[in-house]
Amino acid sequence: AQTVTQSQPEMSVQEAETVTLSCTYDTSESDYYLFWYKQPPSRQMILVIRQEAYKQQNATENRFSVNFQKAAKSFSLKISDSQLGDAAMYFCACKAFMEGAQKLVFGQGTRLTINP
Amino acid sequence: DGGITQSPKYLFRKEGQNVTLSCEQNLNHDAMYWYRQDPGQGLRLIYYSQIVNDFQKGDIAEGYSVSREKKESFPLTVTSAQKNPTAFYLCASSIVARGYEQYFGPGTRLTVT
Repeated sequence: AQTVTQSQPEMSVQEAETVTLSCTYDTSESDYYLFWYKQPPSRQMILVIRQEAYKQQNATENRFSVNFQKAAKSFSLKISDSQLGDAAMYFCACKAFMEGAQKLVFGQGTRLTINP
Repeated sequence: DGGITQSPKYLFRKEGQNVTLSCEQNLNHDAMYWYRQDPGQGLRLIYYSQIVNDFQKGDIAEGYSVSREKKESFPLTVTSAQKNPTAFYLCASSIVARGYEQYFGPGTRLTVT
């Protein structure tokens, strides 16, 4: 079985500050991929960043970066210089080959509030 | 522009009625997925399809049915057997390759009373 856990239901940060969202996962697969998705009030799911498990280098996408700790099965998202438009639900997800298909398993989400 | 469309955005039905949610993509993706999202929860997989005329049950398939007659289309029917159908439904698509991300539609909010 594959599980993804986000232990912070809600987080808040001051505009322009840095915030880190936590995620832990568990999978028996050796070949897997990790993602962070953003869901703003419009409820459209938007890909923020992805990480291949076989890569040691942490992925970075502009103000968004991850801290991937493979041994600890941890995959946190750091948002630098937070902006009002970053306010959203953030979902961590793990994709691996299971039961004949590539499947994506999501965490419960973290609601991020940006304080002006 | 390539993308995924879901219609309608809001749908209301009476209890006991079947209802079909539409999902269309023009990304030329082979794989399509249906997820259910409840308040305070992540997305849960209902059904998925990796190729036309073939689909598989996800984690919460009971009370739902799908068809995949065309590559572009993957409609979801919420049947009267689904005990708690009120939810937000998201459709996604992807190429069938390791690690490729899924692209999501805008979702349909279904309310059953």
